[in-house]
Amino acid sequence: QVQLVQSGAEVREPGSSVKVSCKASRGPFRTNSINWVRQAPGQGLEWMGRIIPVLGTVNSAQKFQGRVTIVADESTRTAYMELSSLRSEDTAVYYCARESYFERSGNYYMDVWGTGTAVTVSS
Amino acid sequence: EIVLTQSPATLSLSPGERATLYCRASQSVDNYLAWFQQKRGQAPRLLIYDASNRATGIPARFRGSGSGTDFTLTISSLEPEDFAVYYCQQRSNWPLTFGPGTTVEIK
Repeated sequence: QVQLVQSGAEVREPGSSVKVSCKASRGPFRTNSINWVRQAPGQGLEWMGRIIPVLGTVNSAQKFQGRVTIVADESTRTAYMELSSLRSEDTAVYYCARESYFERSGNYYMDVWGTGTAVTVSS
Repeated sequence: EIVLTQSPATLSLSPGERATLYCRASQSVDNYLAWFQQKRGQAPRLLIYDASNRATGIPARFRGSGSGTDFTLTISSLEPEDFAVYYCQQRSNWPLTFGPGTTVEIK
């Protein structure tokens, strides 16, 4: 069973950047997209963006465009999400999630989730 | 952006009871809808994809239905481990969006 192991908790000051990693232990990596979803304390889930490693294609939510960078390193099976110009509202748990292909429907859904990385933005 | 609304916000039920959760989309998402379960301190878990298909290992008491703009997740008989927050998510259009969630709590 594939696992997605994320980097540890981070504390950052407003205006700085944070880079979170997500390493796939086994299973397909190149052809499955890796999504980034965040959850502020006590709040719901918010999709930020995704990358298809083999293509390098990135889609991101307009809200984060210009602030988020998503990349993938096939050699280490690791995806990264960097968020810049941090503000207090970016305090959240950040999850990576792999999309898998479901043959029954021919569609993709997030079926494997990472361990989560808590990011605190505070001065 | 497709907005998903979920109702009710909170459902207070006892083990063994039936839970019915609703998700409505601001425009049609065909059947490109998933349901996730999230327990406190854990990552979400995929329950249902394409509105009505159970993901691997999901018990038969979870049933999804609907298409277009209106969807339902039914838990036929609540087990103690089912008390959690449930989110719907659409993948019909970019950006992917989630509903605000329904909390199923013990009465």
